[in-house]
Amino acid sequence: GAGVSQSPSNKVTEKGKDVELRCDPISGHTALYWYRQSLGQGLEFLIYFQGNSAPDKSGLPSDRFSAERTGGSVSTLTIQRTQQEDSAVYLCASSLFETWETQYFGPGTRLLVL
Amino acid sequence: EDKVVQSPLSLVVHEGDTVTLNCSYEVTNFRSLLWYKQEKKAPTFLFMLTSSGIEKKSGRLSSILDKKELSSILNITATQTGDSAIYLCAVGIIQGAQKLVFGQGTRLTINP
Repeated sequence: GAGVSQSPSNKVTEKGKDVELRCDPISGHTALYWYRQSLGQGLEFLIYFQGNSAPDKSGLPSDRFSAERTGGSVSTLTIQRTQQEDSAVYLCASSLFETWETQYFGPGTRLLVL
Repeated sequence: EDKVVQSPLSLVVHEGDTVTLNCSYEVTNFRSLLWYKQEKKAPTFLFMLTSSGIEKKSGRLSSILDKKELSSILNITATQTGDSAIYLCAVGIIQGAQKLVFGQGTRLTINP
């Protein structure tokens, strides 16, 4: 079956521009996570969606970052007024609620802010 | 602040060697410890260890959780070049919402 997909796979943008990153989770997975991985670092939690509950936004680094999940499926992570330090790989993962630790990751979006 | 620390950060060995990767944690509301393998971009799940399952084995890979020492090890025996990857340790916590806290990873390189 289809895994988690993300688009675009690569994005180059200029400082100050807005970007939108998309995540399509595995069908039936109610939990969806966004992470950021800077060069040589582990994964940094950004935001978590579970069903229709309010998302856990505790990992978002600034108010320039926001995310939404429409219809309990596709999610979009938006970064406004991008900065060079936003350059990283953005990974999305989904899971079933009951087995939330076993997360299935997408291939990521590599963002480069010039 | 919840923290997961892995060591070494980088390891280079020859094919056939046995390696041990380390993970220590300091978190509140511990629920589980997980190991993921990251070859390109997408991490893939290896093991989950909990209080009721402190040892797991799959082929040449095995892992143990030491809840007293707040640590875990991942062993790989008879390493192959295909084992080259970044190995990520994560701790599952529940603080209101549930989430994984990741370590910085160990980059393992297996030379033929």
